[in-house]
Amino acid sequence: DIVLTQSPDSLAVSLGERATINCKSSQSISFSSNNRNFLAWYQQKPGQPPKLLISWASTRESGVPDRFSGSGSGTEFTLSISSLQAEDVAVYYCQQYYTSLYTFGQGTKLEI
Amino acid sequence: EVHLVESGGGLVQPGRSLRLSCAASGFIFGDYAMHWVRQAPGKGLEWVTGINWNSGIIGYVDSVKGRFIISRDNAKNALYLQLNSLTTEDTAFYYCARARDGYNYFDYWGRGTLVTVSS
Repeated sequence: DIVLTQSPDSLAVSLGERATINCKSSQSISFSSNNRNFLAWYQQKPGQPPKLLISWASTRESGVPDRFSGSGSGTEFTLSISSLQAEDVAVYYCQQYYTSLYTFGQGTKLEI
Repeated sequence: EVHLVESGGGLVQPGRSLRLSCAASGFIFGDYAMHWVRQAPGKGLEWVTGINWNSGIIGYVDSVKGRFIISRDNAKNALYLQLNSLTTEDTAFYYCARARDGYNYFDYWGRGTLVTVSS
């Protein structure tokens, strides 16, 4: 099974500052033939279901503010929020879909 | 607009069974793979099971193999999860989620239904 480990577990960032969340995979989740990275990022606010933010490690969903960006390849991935807003307080999860046993990271709680 | 609405959760004793349903609308249900993801209260997300568009490909996480059964009825735009031999470890919110474009990341989620296993 592919294990995704997020860091840190929790993070406090000032409004307007940059937040960075990391996701490390226990094995590569990239196809070498086309360099596609099988990683998604989700945002979950209290009392709500998760919301898809980013797929393929860096493709932002329609309607997601451009302050959210994803990067990385192979086994190391990053979700960045360039200028933190109050509404970004949430738990963020990465998920791999490289294998048919889909796994999530343990989550990173982002606070102001 | 895509809508997924789960139902069927509740309080159940260990060893008993429960059937969850997910009603889908706003898209051509039969074109998409569907999944169940669960979240124990205050904990992280765990993929439970998924089924492709024609029920030809089904997968389960090891902890539920032999106990849970996923199924779908494309004519009724419905996804189901039969939960058998429940244990307290199965207590969680169960979310129905749609997979995007044949790749199994989840672009739409329901609001979830809570299953509580307790004596």
